[in-house]
Amino acid sequence: KNQVEQSPQSLIILEGKNCTLQCNYTVSPFSNLRWYKQDTGRGPVSLTIMTFSENTKSNRRYTATLDADTKQSSLHITASQLSDSASYICVRGGNNRLAFGKGNQVVVIP
Amino acid sequence: SAVISQKPSRDICQRGTSLTIQCQVDSQVTMMFWYRQQPGQSLTLIATANQGSEATYESGFVIDKFPISRPNLTFSTLTVSNMSPEDSSIYLCSVLGYSGELFFGEGSRLTVL
Repeated sequence: KNQVEQSPQSLIILEGKNCTLQCNYTVSPFSNLRWYKQDTGRGPVSLTIMTFSENTKSNRRYTATLDADTKQSSLHITASQLSDSASYICVRGGNNRLAFGKGNQVVVIP
Repeated sequence: SAVISQKPSRDICQRGTSLTIQCQVDSQVTMMFWYRQQPGQSLTLIATANQGSEATYESGFVIDKFPISRPNLTFSTLTVSNMSPEDSSIYLCSVLGYSGELFFGEGSRLTVL
């Protein structure tokens, strides 16, 4: 079983709408939770990094939340744009190791 | 931030051949890594490229199959040896910034026929 589970696996949304992506991680110790955006054919780019003491962090229209008690994180995309079409990867950091989720594939349509 | 250049960006190779992927960083970095991203799967760490010494491989990856060089603090290569179709994947170079952020190259998409 993967240490980081993301849902939904894929999502289609209309331009201008909001969406929320979920991430559950199962392994401790935990030191940080990261979200990356990976455009098709490109490398992942960091969106947010949160430590266990932070429960929300924003980067433009992206807002990540973290509940260290339930080991859950979410990434909320506000007023989606066509350029938001990408894979969003949740990454748990801890014990000098990173565990990657498989990603949420988001497609924004006009 | 770090700017990472990888080449080739993509290649199609024949079974049994080997391909070397290059990774160039625009600044000196201590920690440099190689990842594999298979279709529909999460990123998997292959190895940590150590400057001046042998790379540190993760479980399931061996030096004979994935030899790595790191001659200095800005450059590394990963070779995929004796390729089979199962090696078709995206290979990503990444570096650790001073803030703890992980930066990735654009990836090298390998297709083995």
